[in-house]
Amino acid sequence: QQQVKQSPQSLIVQKGGISIINCAYENTAFDYFPWYQQFPGKGPALLIAIRPDVSEKKEGRFTISFNKSAKQFSLHIMDSQPGDSATYFCAASLKAGANNLFFGTGTRLTVIP
Amino acid sequence: DADVTQTPRNRITKTGKRIMLECSQTKGHDRMYWYRQDPGLGLRLIYYSFDVKDINKGEISDGYSVSRQAQAKFSLSLESAIPNQTALYFCATRDSHYGYTFGSGTRLTVV
Repeated sequence: QQQVKQSPQSLIVQKGGISIINCAYENTAFDYFPWYQQFPGKGPALLIAIRPDVSEKKEGRFTISFNKSAKQFSLHIMDSQPGDSATYFCAASLKAGANNLFFGTGTRLTVIP
Repeated sequence: DADVTQTPRNRITKTGKRIMLECSQTKGHDRMYWYRQDPGLGLRLIYYSFDVKDINKGEISDGYSVSRQAQAKFSLSLESAIPNQTALYFCATRDSHYGYTFGSGTRLTVV
């Protein structure tokens, strides 16, 4: 079963618009929530990450919003650019044990000029 | 040179053949991982290794085996390939602070 649920599967946004990708989880033991960006022919690369003790983290045009009570987190891309067109994965990791990453199913973002 | 190098980049093989995918890293990390990526399913963990003597199954290990030849090398084998193992395979390393570095992937097609 999918430990991290991600939506939408695909997203088309106009240049300059805001892209929003949502993820939800059930396991309250997760304590690290990264977002990965993947371009065609490349492996995923860490974009931004958050821990559950904060509700928001911003790095440039990328912001993670985290709602611990709802067990949801989302990625917001402000002023979306064609170069942001990629597949985005949310993920979650446990603090204890093997600390392996559980990935969402991915969102293919297309930013049109 | 890339931090995590996977070979081959692309491979087509026949059903029933044994195939090995190789991964090497220059990050100096002890932890190494093999993931499989399928459209609509995200990345799923096949095997992971915390050091040369510590190898663990992930969520989808059936039909796969691994070998950790050295700290820098971690290979994935399909003993008898089947068509539903057609996928994109990624090797990754991890540092002590959750930082994962992925290779560029191997696209495997089983016909």
